[in-house]
Order: sequence, then structure tokens, then C-alpha cells
Amino acid sequence: SYVLTQPPSVSVAPGQTARITCGGNNIGSKSVHWYQQKPGQAPVLVVYDDSDRPSGIPERFSGSNSGNTATLTISRVEAGDEADYYCQVWDSSSDHRGVVFGGGTKLTVL
Amino acid sequence: QVQLQESGPGLVKPSQTLSLTCTVSGGSISSGGYYWSWIRQHPGKGLEWIGYIYYSGSTYYNPSLKSRVTISVDTSKNQFSLKLSSVTAADTAVYYCARVEMATTTGYFDLWGRGTLVTVSS
Repeated sequence: SYVLTQPPSVSVAPGQTARITCGGNNIGSKSVHWYQQKPGQAPVLVVYDDSDRPSGIPERFSGSNSGNTATLTISRVEAGDEADYYCQVWDSSSDHRGVVFGGGTKLTVL
Repeated sequence: QVQLQESGPGLVKPSQTLSLTCTVSGGSISSGGYYWSWIRQHPGKGLEWIGYIYYSGSTYYNPSLKSRVTISVDTSKNQFSLKLSSVTAADTAVYYCARVEMATTTGYFDLWGRGTLVTVSS
């Protein structure tokens, strides 16, 4: 089955840029979607189709995807960005077809 | 705006069937263009997709859960439901319903319910 690998944690100071990676075999050929989940809350879609933002999501959130790595970039990080972030793809290439989530990355704002 | 709300027992005994319902408000589940899905999250862990359904009734399940999962839709009530049979403690999780924006080769969850914790215990 298709596997998405995320770093367990990323730390960044307020005002700096956070980059959260999502690794997968030839992930650049797939569309990657990103979710933010704050403690006790449901996930929220922050980036879809690699780099598009839903309405209401700040421009500080951006995404890219190439080769074997997709990246969620959060510019000018704020304390309110502290959360878990998950990447997701739709795998139609293996026997275990369907939705695949990464293991999640905890973003800590120092 | 469209909202999703999960409902169902918070406690299920081992070997029994977990049953949850997701009520869609502010929009019609049969308006088309969207699929409807269940996702769960074990305590302190990541997200696990369970399956999805279209308003027509067509379904697709996570192969790892397929033998125990049934997702159904009731368009008259604007609801879709999850049944998970033969549960064990490993099925203890927060269960979310979500709306799926589906394209030809991908799909993403653009709207989520708040989630409901289901504990499997005798």
C-alpha cells in the first residue's frame, strides 16, 4: 500500500516560516491535500490539490509538490498555528486503493 | 452553510456492532457532486479513512476494514450511516463524518463533523 511519511514534529519561532514535509513514492504525480487539527477539534482543510487554498484560509498557508516530497509552508507563523498537520492523497495505484493519510506532524510555536 | 453532525452510542460492548449516523444540514445530501465519508482517529493517533458513499448508494471501503464495514444513505432524512461489526477495544476512536470533494483521480475532505468518541468496553 502507498505510504506517506511526515516528520513527527516541527518547531518554529513566531514570525518565522514553518515547512512540513510529506514524503511518498513519486508523490509529485498525485494531488496532495493538507489538514490542520487543533486539540479537541476536527481537522480543517488548509490546502488542496497541492497548492490551492479553501476560502477563509490565510495566504500564509501554501503548498508545493514535486518528485517524492510535498511541502506545506506556513509563513509568518503565529501562536494560533500550533496544531497537528496531516497530508492526504488518493491512491489508485496499489492493491490497497483509497484514501491515505500521513502520520501527522505536530507544529510547535516556540 | 452545510454542517455535519455525528450521533450514536458512545459506548459499545465487544463483539457488538457500532452504529453511527451523520446528519447533513444546510444542504441536500442528494444534490450530487459530493461523496460522504467516515474517518476515525484512535486516541492520540492519526487519521484512518473508513469508507465513503454517494447519494445513489455506491460505496467504497478501506480494504483493511471492508469485511466489517457497511455505509448506507437515507436521502429522505438527509443522513448517512456507519455500521462496524464485531468491534474490539482496537475500534475505540473518535469517529468523524466528512464531505468529500471528488475529482477524477483524487478527493479531499472539505467539511467535517465535530466527531464523536466511541469506546468499546464491557
